[in-house]
Amino acid sequence: GAVVSQHPSRVICKSGTSVKIECRSLDFQATTMFWYRQFPKQSLMLMATSNEGSKATYEQGVEKDKFLINHASLTLSTLTVTSAHPEDSSFYICSARDMGVENIQYFGAGTRLSVL
Amino acid sequence: SQQGEEDPQALSIQEGENATMNCSYKTSINNLQWYRQNSGRGLVHLILIRSNEREKHSGRLRVTLDTSKKSSSLLITASRAADTASYFCASTRGSGGGADGLTFGKGTHLIIQP
Repeated sequence: GAVVSQHPSRVICKSGTSVKIECRSLDFQATTMFWYRQFPKQSLMLMATSNEGSKATYEQGVEKDKFLINHASLTLSTLTVTSAHPEDSSFYICSARDMGVENIQYFGAGTRLSVL
Repeated sequence: SQQGEEDPQALSIQEGENATMNCSYKTSINNLQWYRQNSGRGLVHLILIRSNEREKHSGRLRVTLDTSKKSSSLLITASRAADTASYFCASTRGSGGGADGLTFGKGTHLIIQP
């Protein structure tokens, strides 16, 4: 099956710093990738849709200036959490859709962000 | 926003027994999918059922869909310890023709006792 790689798997940072998370589709091209956020023992919430070569589409309530998304190539999308604060601590997961398959999404392993 | 509600939220059974999880959703869907998440990891796609289908099988998995009740169930037969994980239903919003993000249910945490 399709493989999505997400890096880093874990990051601990100080409040006020920015953190970049990478999401790569390894064996297929993904014009669209998705970023989700998951709090402990809760479900995934869609944050934004990342579109290659154009601006990301953010879900209601998600600050686009806080969570910067760049999708510069067909295999890479990045999420940058800017000026991170403790409330940004969460599990961030990306996914990519293989265009040949009916909206089945392939997920990265996730990034656990802890902001001190 | 979360539109899916799974029940039970947690389920503990003995190895070899069958596990049934239910999911309800609120808006119309094009298809409904089930994913598994092992602790602290990403999600793995299990099975997809289209809105015009009522039942689908894949190995030890059986999923049903009742669009009149806006509900779905996932049955795992002959459970194994390796089935211990959280299970989420997910639906696609919109017309389905484009690449839409998924809306997830709250999930069922399944524990298989050896």
